[in-house]
Amino acid sequence: DTAVSQTPKYLVTQMGNDKSIKCEQNLGHDTMYWYKQDSKKFLKIMFSYNNKELIINETVPNRFSPKSPDKAHLNLHINSLELGDSAVYFCASSQRLAGVTGELFFGEGSRLTVL
Amino acid sequence: GESVGLHLPTLSVQEGDNSIINCAYSNSASDYFIWYKQESGKGPQFIIDIRSNMDKRQGQRVTVLLNKTVKHLSLQIAATQPGDSAVYFCAENAGGTSYGKLTFGQGTILTVHP
Repeated sequence: DTAVSQTPKYLVTQMGNDKSIKCEQNLGHDTMYWYKQDSKKFLKIMFSYNNKELIINETVPNRFSPKSPDKAHLNLHINSLELGDSAVYFCASSQRLAGVTGELFFGEGSRLTVL
Repeated sequence: GESVGLHLPTLSVQEGDNSIINCAYSNSASDYFIWYKQESGKGPQFIIDIRSNMDKRQGQRVTVLLNKTVKHLSLQIAATQPGDSAVYFCAENAGGTSYGKLTFGQGTILTVHP
């Protein structure tokens, strides 16, 4: 069984559309994250939730809205998609906040292409 | 292909050689460092970590060295294998108000030739 699974794996859409990426972890972890990886492979944190509570919100446009219905799920909704949103989005989880232990478990990524 | 346009540092080695991947960090408040490996089409995978009160830590075939004086981190891979080919990232955690927020470095592409 996949530890951190995210869907869809690939997403191609037009500018201006709204799309969602779903993430689920079956590791029993308390903390979940969204990271964005650009075309140069640069990985940057977007959001972090601990027990369904938002604890990290980087300077991300408010078109991006994370939602955590329970601690095993963290979804990412993006409104009014722009060309610059094209990237690979990674969901991750950790037992506790990264820093106590840095072992983040990443999903396989969702490649978003905005045309 | 996926690599076109990338300008990450690259390291090419022969199978069986030892590899050393370097990382410079800028935040002197960082107290925890991690190395991740990312294979093509997959998410990053934890390799090894080290806290700032240590200067060396060893795992299976891997060693991480930390030099806080010059803010430098390195990952040594012994007897490199083709399966080690991947992009390697260092990450740091600054603690304090940045607690829980891992900042990833640029990444280095390691290619192992059989």
